[in-house]
Amino acid sequence: DAGVIQSPRHEVTEMGQEVTLRCKPISGHNSLFWYRQTMMRGLELLIYFNNNVPIDDSGMPEDRFSAKMPNASFSTLKIQPSEPRDSAVYFCASRAGWAGELFFGEGSRLTVL
Amino acid sequence: DQQVKQNSPSLSVQEGRISILNCDYTNSMFDYFLWYKKYPAEGPTFLISISSIKDKNEDGRFTVFLNKSAKHLSLHIVPSQPGDSAVYFCAASARGKLIFGQGTELSVKP
Repeated sequence: DAGVIQSPRHEVTEMGQEVTLRCKPISGHNSLFWYRQTMMRGLELLIYFNNNVPIDDSGMPEDRFSAKMPNASFSTLKIQPSEPRDSAVYFCASRAGWAGELFFGEGSRLTVL
Repeated sequence: DQQVKQNSPSLSVQEGRISILNCDYTNSMFDYFLWYKKYPAEGPTFLISISSIKDKNEDGRFTVFLNKSAKHLSLHIVPSQPGDSAVYFCAASARGKLIFGQGTELSVKP
C-alpha cells in the first residue's frame, strides 16, 4: 500500500514567491497533520485536520501560511509570500481515527533564497 | 513555549551498550506518548508508545518508561546496534494533537 505522498520533494524559490506543498494521505485515514522540522524547534506542529476540517491551526506561524483539505485524499500548505526563514523540511502525516501513531511522508525540503 | 523537551541534542554510545534517551513534558493533559525514529532524508517512523495509565512498555530491544509525577519519559535501547544511529523524537498527545520534541541524534559506534 502507498504511504503518505508529498510533493515536491525539493523546492528552491526566491523570496516573495508563492510556494505550494501537497500531500496525499493514506487511504482511509481521516486525520492529517502538517509539521515543519527545524534545528531549534524539532518537529513543529503547524495545523491538523480531522475529517477534512481544521481542528487546530495555532501553530501556523503567521498569515502568510495557509492550509486546505478540500477532500479526504488531498491537502495543501501554501506560503505566500515566502521568506528565507521559511526554509525547512515540511512533513505531512496521517492516521486513522483520533489517536495513535502517525504515518509520515518523506517530507518536502523548501529553500527560500 | 516548548511543551515537549529533549534536552540532549546528541548521544554517542558503543555498540552493545545501553542507549538512554530522555524526554520531559509540561502539560499534565498528555495521555499518550510515542517515540519516533528518523533517518536522513526520510520521514519519521513510529517506534514504540505508552499510555499514561502505564509506566513501562517493552518491545524487543526497546523499552519506554513513563514517570508521570516527574513528567518524564525515557527510551532504553539495549543492546544498541549501529543501525540504531538516527534522530529520535519523543511525542505527546492530548485530544488528538501530537506534539514533538526537538529530537536527539543517537550515534552507535562499532
